[in-house]
Amino acid sequence: GAVVSQHPSWVICKSGTSVKIECRSLDFQATTMFWYRQFPKQSLMLMATSNEGSKATYEQGVEKDKFLINHASLTLSTLTVTSAHPEDSSFYICSASWEGGLAFFGQGTRLTVV
Amino acid sequence: AQSVTQLDSQVPVFEEAPVELRCNYSSSVSVYLFWYVQYPNQGLQLLLKYLSGSTLVKGINGFEAEFNKSQTSFHLRKPSVHISDTAEYFCAVSDQGGYQKVTFGTGTKLQVIP
Repeated sequence: GAVVSQHPSWVICKSGTSVKIECRSLDFQATTMFWYRQFPKQSLMLMATSNEGSKATYEQGVEKDKFLINHASLTLSTLTVTSAHPEDSSFYICSASWEGGLAFFGQGTRLTVV
Repeated sequence: AQSVTQLDSQVPVFEEAPVELRCNYSSSVSVYLFWYVQYPNQGLQLLLKYLSGSTLVKGINGFEAEFNKSQTSFHLRKPSVHISDTAEYFCAVSDQGGYQKVTFGTGTKLQVIP
Protein backbone atom coordinates (compact mmCIF):
# COMPACT_ATOMS: atom_id res chain seq x y z
CA GLY A 1 0.00 0.00 0.00
CA ALA A 2 0.88 3.66 -0.16
CA VAL A 3 3.23 5.08 2.48
CA VAL A 4 2.52 8.10 4.64
CA SER A 5 5.25 9.36 6.94
CA GLN A 6 4.93 11.68 9.91
CA HIS A 7 7.71 13.59 11.58
CA PRO A 8 8.55 13.76 14.37
CA SER A 9 7.30 10.54 15.99
CA TRP A 10 7.33 12.23 19.37
CA VAL A 11 8.04 15.69 20.67
CA ILE A 12 8.19 17.39 24.04
CA CYS A 13 7.82 21.14 24.17
CA LYS A 14 7.43 23.84 26.77
CA SER A 15 4.09 25.45 27.41
CA GLY A 16 3.63 28.54 25.25
CA THR A 17 5.84 27.41 22.39
CA SER A 18 4.75 26.22 18.95
CA VAL A 19 5.29 22.81 17.44
CA LYS A 20 5.17 21.77 13.80
CA ILE A 21 4.26 18.26 12.69
CA GLU A 22 4.85 17.12 9.12
CA CYS A 23 2.87 14.60 7.13
CA ARG A 24 4.34 13.35 3.86
CA SER A 25 3.01 11.02 1.22
CA LEU A 26 6.13 9.21 0.05
CA ASP A 27 5.02 7.43 -3.09
CA PHE A 28 1.90 9.19 -4.27
CA GLN A 29 0.47 12.65 -4.68
CA ALA A 30 -2.04 13.40 -1.95
CA THR A 31 -4.78 15.72 -3.05
CA THR A 32 -6.39 15.50 0.38
CA MET A 33 -4.92 15.10 3.84
CA PHE A 34 -6.72 14.68 7.14
CA TRP A 35 -5.52 15.42 10.66
CA TYR A 36 -6.82 13.44 13.64
CA ARG A 37 -6.26 13.74 17.37
CA GLN A 38 -6.38 10.89 19.83
CA PHE A 39 -6.56 11.49 23.56
CA PRO A 40 -5.45 8.71 25.92
CA LYS A 41 -7.78 5.74 25.90
CA GLN A 42 -10.07 7.41 23.36
CA SER A 43 -10.76 7.10 19.69
CA LEU A 44 -9.46 9.25 16.87
CA MET A 45 -11.32 12.47 16.26
CA LEU A 46 -11.07 14.29 12.97
CA MET A 47 -9.67 17.79 13.39
CA ALA A 48 -9.51 19.10 9.85
CA THR A 49 -9.41 18.29 6.17
CA SER A 50 -6.92 19.95 3.88
CA ASN A 51 -6.78 20.03 0.11
CA GLU A 52 -3.62 21.01 -1.69
CA GLY A 53 -3.48 24.71 -2.38
CA SER A 54 -6.57 25.70 -0.42
CA LYS A 55 -7.52 26.49 3.15
CA ALA A 56 -8.22 23.65 5.52
CA THR A 57 -11.74 22.83 6.64
CA TYR A 58 -11.93 22.47 10.40
CA GLU A 59 -14.35 20.32 12.36
CA GLN A 60 -16.65 21.96 14.85
CA GLY A 61 -14.90 22.84 18.07
CA VAL A 62 -11.38 22.86 16.62
CA GLU A 63 -9.65 26.23 16.89
CA LYS A 64 -8.25 27.11 13.49
CA ASP A 65 -5.99 29.79 14.92
CA LYS A 66 -4.44 27.33 17.31
CA PHE A 67 -4.04 24.42 14.93
CA LEU A 68 -2.60 25.85 11.75
CA ILE A 69 -2.69 23.54 8.77
CA ASN A 70 -0.76 24.08 5.58
CA HIS A 71 -1.00 21.84 2.53
CA ALA A 72 1.42 23.60 0.23
CA SER A 73 2.29 20.69 -2.02
CA LEU A 74 0.83 17.37 -3.13
CA THR A 75 3.18 15.46 -0.85
CA LEU A 76 3.34 17.56 2.29
CA SER A 77 0.93 18.89 4.88
CA THR A 78 1.94 20.46 8.17
CA LEU A 79 0.09 20.92 11.43
CA THR A 80 1.39 23.64 13.72
CA VAL A 81 0.17 23.71 17.29
CA THR A 82 0.59 27.32 18.34
CA SER A 83 1.10 28.42 21.93
CA ALA A 84 0.84 24.85 23.09
CA HIS A 85 -0.53 24.06 26.54
CA PRO A 86 -0.55 20.81 28.52
CA GLU A 87 -4.13 20.11 27.44
CA ASP A 88 -2.87 19.93 23.84
CA SER A 89 -0.82 16.89 24.75
CA SER A 90 -2.14 14.14 22.55
CA PHE A 91 -1.42 11.72 19.75
CA TYR A 92 -1.81 13.37 16.35
CA ILE A 93 -2.25 11.25 13.22
CA CYS A 94 -2.54 12.29 9.61
CA SER A 95 -3.96 10.44 6.66
CA ALA A 96 -3.47 11.12 2.99
CA SER A 97 -5.29 10.10 -0.15
CA TRP A 98 -5.26 10.77 -3.85
CA GLU A 99 -8.23 11.60 -6.02
CA GLY A 100 -10.58 8.65 -5.90
CA GLY A 101 -8.38 6.67 -3.52
CA LEU A 102 -8.64 5.42 0.03
CA ALA A 103 -6.90 7.14 2.91
CA PHE A 104 -3.57 5.88 4.27
CA PHE A 105 -2.46 6.77 7.77
CA GLY A 106 0.85 7.98 9.11
CA GLN A 107 2.47 6.48 12.18
CA GLY A 108 1.41 9.36 14.41
CA THR A 109 3.14 11.98 16.52
CA ARG A 110 2.97 11.98 20.29
CA LEU A 111 3.03 15.54 21.61
CA THR A 112 3.75 16.22 25.26
CA VAL A 113 3.54 19.79 26.49
CA VAL A 114 5.21 20.46 29.82
CA ALA B 1 -23.30 11.39 8.96
CA GLN B 2 -22.16 8.03 10.21
CA SER B 3 -21.43 6.59 13.61
CA VAL B 4 -19.66 3.47 14.78
CA THR B 5 -20.28 1.55 17.98
CA GLN B 6 -17.80 -0.83 19.53
CA LEU B 7 -19.56 -2.08 22.63
CA ASP B 8 -16.59 -3.91 24.11
CA SER B 9 -13.88 -1.60 25.37
CA GLN B 10 -11.71 -4.52 26.45
CA VAL B 11 -11.66 -8.17 25.43
CA PRO B 12 -9.39 -10.57 27.31
CA VAL B 13 -8.80 -13.91 25.61
CA PHE B 14 -6.41 -16.80 26.15
CA GLU B 15 -3.73 -17.49 23.59
CA GLU B 16 -4.84 -19.82 20.77
CA ALA B 17 -8.50 -19.21 21.57
CA PRO B 18 -10.87 -17.65 19.02
CA VAL B 19 -11.96 -14.05 19.33
CA GLU B 20 -14.70 -11.82 17.96
CA LEU B 21 -14.62 -8.05 18.23
CA ARG B 22 -18.01 -6.49 17.64
CA CYS B 23 -18.76 -3.46 15.52
CA ASN B 24 -22.07 -1.90 14.57
CA TYR B 25 -22.51 1.15 12.43
CA SER B 26 -25.19 3.65 11.58
CA SER B 27 -25.51 5.48 8.30
CA SER B 28 -28.18 6.83 6.00
CA VAL B 29 -26.06 6.11 2.93
CA SER B 30 -24.02 3.22 1.60
CA VAL B 31 -20.71 2.86 3.38
CA TYR B 32 -17.27 1.39 3.24
CA LEU B 33 -16.09 -0.40 6.39
CA PHE B 34 -12.64 -0.83 7.85
CA TRP B 35 -10.79 -2.40 10.73
CA TYR B 36 -7.54 -0.84 11.91
CA VAL B 37 -5.07 -2.07 14.51
CA GLN B 38 -2.94 0.17 16.68
CA TYR B 39 -0.02 -1.25 18.62
CA PRO B 40 1.19 0.71 21.68
CA ASN B 41 2.61 4.10 20.77
CA GLN B 42 2.25 3.41 17.07
CA GLY B 43 0.04 4.61 14.25
CA LEU B 44 -2.78 2.81 12.53
CA GLN B 45 -2.42 -0.22 10.34
CA LEU B 46 -5.22 -1.31 8.05
CA LEU B 47 -6.31 -4.87 8.85
CA LEU B 48 -9.03 -5.22 6.25
CA LYS B 49 -11.71 -3.33 4.42
CA TYR B 50 -15.08 -3.94 2.84
CA LEU B 51 -15.83 -1.93 -0.26
CA SER B 52 -18.16 -4.19 -2.23
CA GLY B 53 -18.63 -7.79 -3.34
CA SER B 54 -18.29 -10.73 -0.99
CA THR B 55 -19.47 -9.94 2.50
CA LEU B 56 -16.71 -12.05 4.05
CA VAL B 57 -13.47 -10.12 3.95
CA LYS B 58 -10.08 -11.57 4.78
CA GLY B 59 -7.30 -9.37 6.03
CA ILE B 60 -3.77 -9.56 7.31
CA ASN B 61 -2.55 -11.60 10.29
CA GLY B 62 -5.34 -14.16 9.92
CA PHE B 63 -8.20 -11.77 10.67
CA GLU B 64 -11.49 -11.74 8.81
CA ALA B 65 -14.72 -9.79 9.08
CA GLU B 66 -18.22 -10.23 7.78
CA PHE B 67 -20.40 -7.41 6.57
CA ASN B 68 -24.03 -7.86 7.55
CA LYS B 69 -26.15 -5.15 6.01
CA SER B 70 -29.41 -6.13 7.70
CA GLN B 71 -27.80 -6.03 11.13
CA THR B 72 -25.50 -3.11 10.22
CA SER B 73 -22.59 -5.02 11.66
CA PHE B 74 -19.00 -5.68 10.69
CA HIS B 75 -17.59 -8.00 13.36
CA LEU B 76 -13.92 -8.94 13.34
CA ARG B 77 -12.87 -12.52 13.99
CA LYS B 78 -9.75 -14.62 14.35
CA PRO B 79 -9.87 -18.40 14.96
CA SER B 80 -6.71 -18.52 17.08
CA VAL B 81 -5.04 -15.49 18.62
CA HIS B 82 -1.38 -14.96 19.47
CA ILE B 83 0.30 -12.84 22.08
CA SER B 84 1.37 -10.50 19.30
CA ASP B 85 -2.27 -9.71 18.57
CA THR B 86 -2.49 -7.70 21.79
CA ALA B 87 -3.38 -4.21 20.58
CA GLU B 88 -6.19 -1.71 20.17
CA TYR B 89 -8.60 -2.40 17.32
CA PHE B 90 -10.69 0.29 15.71
CA CYS B 91 -13.70 -0.22 13.51
CA ALA B 92 -14.27 2.61 11.05
CA VAL B 93 -16.69 3.70 8.37
CA SER B 94 -16.77 6.15 5.51
CA ASP B 95 -19.57 6.96 3.13
CA GLN B 96 -19.05 5.88 -0.44
CA GLY B 97 -19.29 9.42 -1.66
CA GLY B 98 -16.50 10.72 0.56
CA TYR B 99 -14.58 7.60 1.41
CA GLN B 100 -11.45 9.40 2.41
CA LYS B 101 -13.05 10.88 5.52
CA VAL B 102 -13.17 8.16 8.12
CA THR B 103 -15.25 7.97 11.28
CA PHE B 104 -13.83 5.75 14.00
CA GLY B 105 -15.36 3.72 16.78
CA THR B 106 -14.07 4.06 20.32
CA GLY B 107 -11.81 1.06 19.99
CA THR B 108 -11.53 -2.37 21.59
CA LYS B 109 -8.43 -3.37 23.47
CA LEU B 110 -7.63 -7.00 22.82
CA GLN B 111 -5.58 -8.52 25.62
CA VAL B 112 -4.20 -11.95 24.82
CA ILE B 113 -3.40 -13.93 27.94
CA PRO B 114 -0.57 -16.50 27.76
